[in-house]
Amino acid sequence: EVQLVESGGDVVRPGRSLRLSCEGSGFTFDDYALHWVRLAPGKGLEWVSCISWNSRYIAYADSVKGRFTISRDNTKNSLFLQMSSLRREDTALYYCARSYTSSSMSFEYWGQGTPVTVSS
Amino acid sequence: QSVLTQPPSASGTPGQTVTISCSGSSSDIGSNTVNWYQRLPGAAPKLLIYNDNHRPSGVPDRFSGSRSGTSASLAIRGLQSEDEAEYHCAAWDDSLSVGVFGGGTKLTVL
Repeated sequence: EVQLVESGGDVVRPGRSLRLSCEGSGFTFDDYALHWVRLAPGKGLEWVSCISWNSRYIAYADSVKGRFTISRDNTKNSLFLQMSSLRREDTALYYCARSYTSSSMSFEYWGQGTPVTVSS
Repeated sequence: QSVLTQPPSASGTPGQTVTISCSGSSSDIGSNTVNWYQRLPGAAPKLLIYNDNHRPSGVPDRFSGSRSGTSASLAIRGLQSEDEAEYHCAAWDDSLSVGVFGGGTKLTVL
């Protein structure tokens, strides 16, 4: 069974940092690109970042560029999102999802999400 | 601000056909395939349609998608109460090299 399990969400103050993780199982991890998508309270889905299977291609939404860093460790079937200089508007449920290519927005499998709250 | 434009709401009665539109630009929908997601409260989004008009295994054939030019649409035939949810379109933007979602359409089954 394909599973993606996020962790690392927390309540943090503005300006602080946080690292999210997503562990995959039930599939060949390095066959897929991976994405982070977030859902802010009362808002719609927002694509955050993606990374290719071999980490050679990485992209970010303008809203997080320069503050967030995506990475993966295929030896540990894990995806990461290092978030720094956090803002209140980064408050959201963060999902990881897989796709066949980095430029595909077809996500058949999602994690359950990990909540991030940025508040003083 | 969402790059893809969807109506904020839609409604229909059981058995009806409802269509939800998604409008973009030449660099997103005009260049790449569209995917549709169903989002129920408290649940992760579910892929309903991928690559414009393909259904993943398990998605009823009441759901169908199409794309033409810089617009796409999701049709739900034989509306059922359990279809009440929020629906999002998504595509890749070649110009910006980012993924984009529509703002979501809340479907109410009357």
